[in-house]
Amino acid sequence: GEDVEQSLFLSVREGDSSVINCTYTDSSSTYLYWYKQEPGAGLQLLTYIFSNMDMKQDQRLTVLLNKKDKHLSLRIADTQTGDSAIYFCAESNSNSGNTPLVFGKGTRLSVIA
Amino acid sequence: DTEVTQTPKHLVMGMTNKKSLKCEQHMGHRAMYWYKQKAKKPPELMFVYSYEKLSINESVPSRFSPECPNSSLLNLHLHALQPEDSALYLCASSQDHVVAGDLGELFFGEGSRLTVL
Repeated sequence: GEDVEQSLFLSVREGDSSVINCTYTDSSSTYLYWYKQEPGAGLQLLTYIFSNMDMKQDQRLTVLLNKKDKHLSLRIADTQTGDSAIYFCAESNSNSGNTPLVFGKGTRLSVIA
Repeated sequence: DTEVTQTPKHLVMGMTNKKSLKCEQHMGHRAMYWYKQKAKKPPELMFVYSYEKLSINESVPSRFSPECPNSSLLNLHLHALQPEDSALYLCASSQDHVVAGDLGELFFGEGSRLTVL
């Protein structure tokens, strides 16, 4: 079955850039997502990328996709303490809206002031 | 309104109790989901409803019983749960992006934190 892997922890200083990496196994992935989960809260969609793109930028967030290596990364520029959260990479591989996402285990980002 | 609302936020129940978790969305989404999330783990899919019909059941024990009374509501009925069922239960909804080429992103509720004693 599909598998999505992430490193579990990342610690950065406030103002630095954070890079969270993700690899996936399903070559037919259509959409790749980054969700953010703050303590005690649900998941918030941060950004996404279609599989036919290789980069997407949205304010402080940059998503890079290497489809050949099945590698996805999320770069957060000028990381702030409010960015401390768990970041989940997720993928889906269908054009059907009711296809459930496959999530990675999540990367816990800690921002040190 | 881009919210998925879940109630209650917290629930403590005994192993012999019957309770329900509720989820509501008014975004016109036709797919709704229940996920279970244990501490420090990713969400695990439990059920998917598509157009008010159960389309996916990920081999969930029968002590969890989903119900979709209409396109805006999703319930999860709980009966005879075990302590290991204690978790955050997340509801989500999505549009059918075959219709409009939408992303089909999942919108999540804040979750219902369940403790089974």
